[in-house]
Amino acid sequence: GAGVSQSPSNKVTEKGKDVELRCDPISGHTALYWYRQSLGQGLEFLIYFQGNSAPDKSGLPSDRFSAERTGGSVSTLTIQRTQQEDSAVYLCASSFSFSSGNTIYFGEGSWLTVV
Amino acid sequence: AQSVTQPDIHITVSEGASLELRCNYSYGATPYLFWYVQSPGQGLQLLLKYFSGDTLVQGIKGFEAEFKRSQSSFNLRKPSVHWSDAAEYFCAVGALNAGNMLTFGGGTRLMVKP
Repeated sequence: GAGVSQSPSNKVTEKGKDVELRCDPISGHTALYWYRQSLGQGLEFLIYFQGNSAPDKSGLPSDRFSAERTGGSVSTLTIQRTQQEDSAVYLCASSFSFSSGNTIYFGEGSWLTVV
Repeated sequence: AQSVTQPDIHITVSEGASLELRCNYSYGATPYLFWYVQSPGQGLQLLLKYFSGDTLVQGIKGFEAEFKRSQSSFNLRKPSVHWSDAAEYFCAVGALNAGNMLTFGGGTRLMVKP
């Protein structure tokens, strides 16, 4: 597509429920990234994919967080048993490759509110 | 590990005034440096980037930034601010030959007075 597309744009969920956030990267981009932006905070790196592989999952905040990417395209970030501290904007981004210096393009984010 | 500091959390300038947003980084080798802008409710848009060569880089929307290795800084400047520049600005650093990971600063929120 023309840009990185994320859905839903806004999600309100009850504490304890599971949520799935979807990211559709720019067509042809092999690298995909997930960041979290909490209120008044900077960007916290969560995970990246090279193709369908996520070499390093250590940035995920807890084992309630998981992510997958299929077909080298769409990625889903899943948060199980959501907690109030999970409320944040989840930003997805992509780049042509994972080689350093490739411009990273961001989506508009999925705003998650846990009540 | 690299780190980025944006000392100013909030800055207010008058429309038409000049702007400088500060960014200091910590990295042992030659960094890649970026400035992104985030308008309310939007994702991040790349303003400019520095890889090598000329230390003064030009970006979109009339912004420029200067890489100063001796000061470990990459400050963003604009000669005359427009009301539409009100947004949050993020500085980021990446590492040469270490994959395409960026470390972001905490951001500076710019407000523009009419």
